[in-house]
Amino acid sequence: NAGVTQTPKFRVLKTGQSMTLLCAQDMNHEYMYWYRQDPGMGLRLIHYSVGEGTTAKGEVPDGYNVSRLKKQNFLLGLESAAPSQTSVYFCASSYSGQNNQPQHFGDGTRLSIL
Amino acid sequence: SQQGEEDPQALSIQEGENATMNCSYKTSINNLQWYRQNSGRGLVHLILIRSNEREKHSGRLRVTLDTSKKSSSLLITASRAADTASYFCATASSGTASKLTFGTGTRLQVTL
Repeated sequence: NAGVTQTPKFRVLKTGQSMTLLCAQDMNHEYMYWYRQDPGMGLRLIHYSVGEGTTAKGEVPDGYNVSRLKKQNFLLGLESAAPSQTSVYFCASSYSGQNNQPQHFGDGTRLSIL
Repeated sequence: SQQGEEDPQALSIQEGENATMNCSYKTSINNLQWYRQNSGRGLVHLILIRSNEREKHSGRLRVTLDTSKKSSSLLITASRAADTASYFCATASSGTASKLTFGTGTRLQVTL
């Protein structure tokens, strides 16, 4: 099993450009999450999804949009990239919303906004 | 906002020694989880301890939880060079759809 796969692994954008980060999981997990990781700040939740066709805002949702058209995929979009969005983005999934479920992470997308 | 704060921020030990990392959090929780992150990689789940548990073991890992002090500790015994990584605590509050709030992490360096 591949687990959680994120594409691309690296990307450099210019301010104002748009892009979509793709997350795919092959574990039939219901819940999926997008986080950003900045130096010294740990991981912060951007958006999450509790199932196909549903999305919800996390702690830092501004400037991002998401879609969950298929259960196995969770897309994160930046409509107009800003330098403050330079970060490492991690996708994660969990089997259900029950509180005792661990999350499984991809290896991240390193995004630089110039 | 960060729920958990880890202490110390960085820890350097020699192979064979024990490593202890501490995590403090602010609000009531359903469970607390520890994750490891190797350089350039995603987080890997290590262990989960429920709010009604006080101690849990998994191989060389021992986790304690003190809900009265809102704190947890992760002990890695007989450390190895391969344990070099960042370690994060994450808390799950009741009714939050399995959302986790992560701490800022402890960077562990194990030298030969």
